[in-house]
Amino acid sequence: EIVLTQSPGTLSLSPGERATLSCRASQSVSSSYLAWYQQKPGQAPRLLIYGASSRATGIPDRFSGSGSGTDFTLTISRLEPEDFALYYCQQYGTSPRTFGQGTKLEIK
Amino acid sequence: EVQLVQSGAEVKKPGESLKISCKGSGYSFTTHWIGWVRQMPGKGLEWMGIIYPGDSDTRYSPSFQGQVTISADKSISTAYLQWSSLKASDTAMYYCVRPPTFYGWFDYWGQGTLVTVSS
Repeated sequence: EIVLTQSPGTLSLSPGERATLSCRASQSVSSSYLAWYQQKPGQAPRLLIYGASSRATGIPDRFSGSGSGTDFTLTISRLEPEDFALYYCQQYGTSPRTFGQGTKLEIK
Repeated sequence: EVQLVQSGAEVKKPGESLKISCKGSGYSFTTHWIGWVRQMPGKGLEWMGIIYPGDSDTRYSPSFQGQVTISADKSISTAYLQWSSLKASDTAMYYCVRPPTFYGWFDYWGQGTLVTVSS
């Protein structure tokens, strides 16, 4: 099973700042089959990024993903108030699919 | 428009059985895999398993194999997650998800079904 470790656990930033979230895999993620999701309280997760760097439909271009192999990054270029939420990475190229434990992005 | 609509919240006692549902619409139900994800209170996301409604091919995460049963009724475009004997530790939110392919990201999510197991 591929273990995904996200860091930091909590990230405290202000609107307008740049956020960098990390996801490290215990072994190489095949074909960059890595996704990022955003979850707000009381809501289902929402797909942001797939294939490590492709934005899902309707996702603003301030969200970008990068990385390959075992190291992946989600960057939010300029934080908007609605971006403060939980973020999860997921690998879907190997069974069982696994998620990271999440990064909480909170307002400083 | 693709939609996954799940059944409502459930409150059950330990030892009881339960079957929750997820109805797909807006796409070809029989030609897309549909899966289930668990989120325990205050915790992260866990992939449970996935089914291909066209032929009922089902795969489970090792963590959930033997603990739950995933099924589908393609005649009514509905997938199911069931337990034969609930435990308090089954208390969680359960989401159905629809990837575009077997090895695919989860681009569509149901609204979630909250299952509470308490004596």
